[in-house]
Amino acid sequence: GESVGLHLPTLSVQEGDNSIINCAYSNSASDYFIWYKQESGKGPQFIIDIRSNMDKRQGQRVTVLLNKTVKHLSLQIAATQPGDSAVYFCAEKEANTGNQFYFGTGTSLTVIP
Amino acid sequence: DTEVTQTPKHLVMGMTNKKSLKCEQHMGHRAMYWYKQKAKKPPELMFVYSYEKLSINESVPSRFSPECPNSSLLNLHLHALQPEDSALYLCASSQGWGSGNTIYFGEGSWLTVV
Repeated sequence: GESVGLHLPTLSVQEGDNSIINCAYSNSASDYFIWYKQESGKGPQFIIDIRSNMDKRQGQRVTVLLNKTVKHLSLQIAATQPGDSAVYFCAEKEANTGNQFYFGTGTSLTVIP
Repeated sequence: DTEVTQTPKHLVMGMTNKKSLKCEQHMGHRAMYWYKQKAKKPPELMFVYSYEKLSINESVPSRFSPECPNSSLLNLHLHALQPEDSALYLCASSQGWGSGNTIYFGEGSWLTVV
């Protein structure tokens, strides 16, 4: 598999602040990226995705930024809430390889009330 | 709530037992996946079925045997497992196997091998 790593294994933020979770990837041929949220005892939940022909995508309170030049992906969560506490994974897929995703190591986000 | 349903939620089995994990989706998806996830680690791909045919086997030991009876169902048969096989087993599905299909996960089956 390819190396999909995260800069910070843990992140603590105050409720109401913005959170930024980073992800570095090494495969320049990756063309599709997904962010997942995994709460304790549950399966990964889709948050937002982005394709390599875009550099920014926004959802409800979340924004994903893709910098292909430095192979970096970030997830921004606005006005972080206690319910956002979870482990966040980025997953990447290489172009022309079907739908085979590789996951990064994960960042544990803790929101302090 | 996920539309990928996994049973059982928890399973404890001995090393000589035979058991199965089951997965069902009713989203009309034609690709289904098994992932294994150890504590504090990312999910790791085990198998992929596309249109009910095995497309990917990530060098998984033969004590894990997948089966796709139809496009909505995916099973994982377990036999002669080892304690190190204890993990969360995640089923997932996507609309197709083609490039760029979002993968949706079930809640997982927690397996403990004693």
